[in-house]
Amino acid sequence: GQSLEQPSEVTAVEGAIVQINCTYQTSGFYGLSWYQQHDGGAPTFLSYNALDGLEETGRFSSFLSRSDSYGYLLLQELQMKDSASYFCAYSTPLVFGKGTRLSVIA
Amino acid sequence: NAGVTQTPKFQVLKTGQSMTLQCAQDMNHEYMSWYRQDPGMGLRLIHYSVGAGITDQGEVPNGYNVSRSTTEDFPLRLLSAAPSQTSVYFCASSYSIVAGSSYEQYFGPGTRLTVT
Repeated sequence: GQSLEQPSEVTAVEGAIVQINCTYQTSGFYGLSWYQQHDGGAPTFLSYNALDGLEETGRFSSFLSRSDSYGYLLLQELQMKDSASYFCAYSTPLVFGKGTRLSVIA
Repeated sequence: NAGVTQTPKFQVLKTGQSMTLQCAQDMNHEYMSWYRQDPGMGLRLIHYSVGAGITDQGEVPNGYNVSRSTTEDFPLRLLSAAPSQTSVYFCASSYSIVAGSSYEQYFGPGTRLTVT
């Protein structure tokens, strides 16, 4: 079957580092995307990994291991505004996991 | 650019009524899609289109129809609304239809639909 699995909730302290894991199962895989969604808002694109390894975009990094069908999103120097839901997704078409709700606490 | 626009923002329907959710984009994107979002279920793909005249079903297509007569517009029709279709609906678009390249999608603000 086709699926993506990610933790439903994560809590982390402001200024810390948090990692959100994603495992996937699909017959046709091109890459893993990550999206952020604040409450009441629309999802916005964060990053994409087509190849194995780490992609860095400012405080956010994303990692992919195709052989392990696994990826993660790493958020550094957490800020209160990072409190949101984070979704991994594979393409094509773009299919999303159920999302991880990140709460950043002081 | 307005990006991806959706109308209406909010809608209340009675069971059995029909309606069309509108979606338009002004970025000349080939790929467009519709998702519904329910608590704890993430975003589930309803229908998608890789260009004018071409549509395909996603994970949860039942109860919904789509058509793509122009590059800009991708309306979603509910023919006979049911309470199970109460949800937030998002339209999204991306530039390329090349396999694997729809990974960066631009989402509209969403339509919050309640069916009573």
